[in-house]
Amino acid sequence: DAGITQSPRHKVTETGTPVTLRCHQTENHRYMYWYRQDPGHGLRLIHYSYGVKDTDKGEVSDGYSVSRSKTEDFLLTLESATSSQTSVYFCAISERVPYNSPLHFGNGTRLTVT
Amino acid sequence: QQQVKQSPQSLIVQKGGISIINCAYENTAFDYFPWYQQFPGKGPALLIAIRPDVSEKKEGRFTISFNKSAKQFSLHIMDSQPGDSATYFCAASMGSGGYNKLIFGAGTRLAVHP
Repeated sequence: DAGITQSPRHKVTETGTPVTLRCHQTENHRYMYWYRQDPGHGLRLIHYSYGVKDTDKGEVSDGYSVSRSKTEDFLLTLESATSSQTSVYFCAISERVPYNSPLHFGNGTRLTVT
Repeated sequence: QQQVKQSPQSLIVQKGGISIINCAYENTAFDYFPWYQQFPGKGPALLIAIRPDVSEKKEGRFTISFNKSAKQFSLHIMDSQPGDSATYFCAASMGSGGYNKLIFGAGTRLAVHP
């Protein structure tokens, strides 16, 4: 398995609180991604990074921010959690653009916003 | 707007049967179409992928069929086994314009009954 660690694996938080999810990789891959997985919607891209301090929005970026200060770490922050952000969040990495190399996924973080 | 549409949402197949999952895409610039397999509690993993220079790609019991004019592609699982029970995602990306994203379909939950 690719060296991807997501933390925490599970989290319950209250509406309105900030939450930060962490993705750590040991593969030195350039590209990192945050997806959310919801029934009926599949995997939707939230934000991605193509290098240190280089990030861009995905399909469902509202209410989320990201930071990447080191190659190995990609943080996802929910600025003020809402119940609609209850989901399973997956981090993924790839060595090159997806056209040329596969995405490797972590095992996910299950977030519940009450 | 869903760029990759996947059907069916769920599928039940008897052991030894053929599982067929279909996807359609809208963006004619897409030119890379992978399938990912996800087991419960795990992140998705690349199963098989195709580029539009061929109409079919086979790896073991898994085959992708691609129809460029119809903008459709499908996954066929021959001699389906209980161990194939998982969620399958189709996806699309492109190799031009520095495109950094992989867009997924909504997923198909496959159950193979013994």
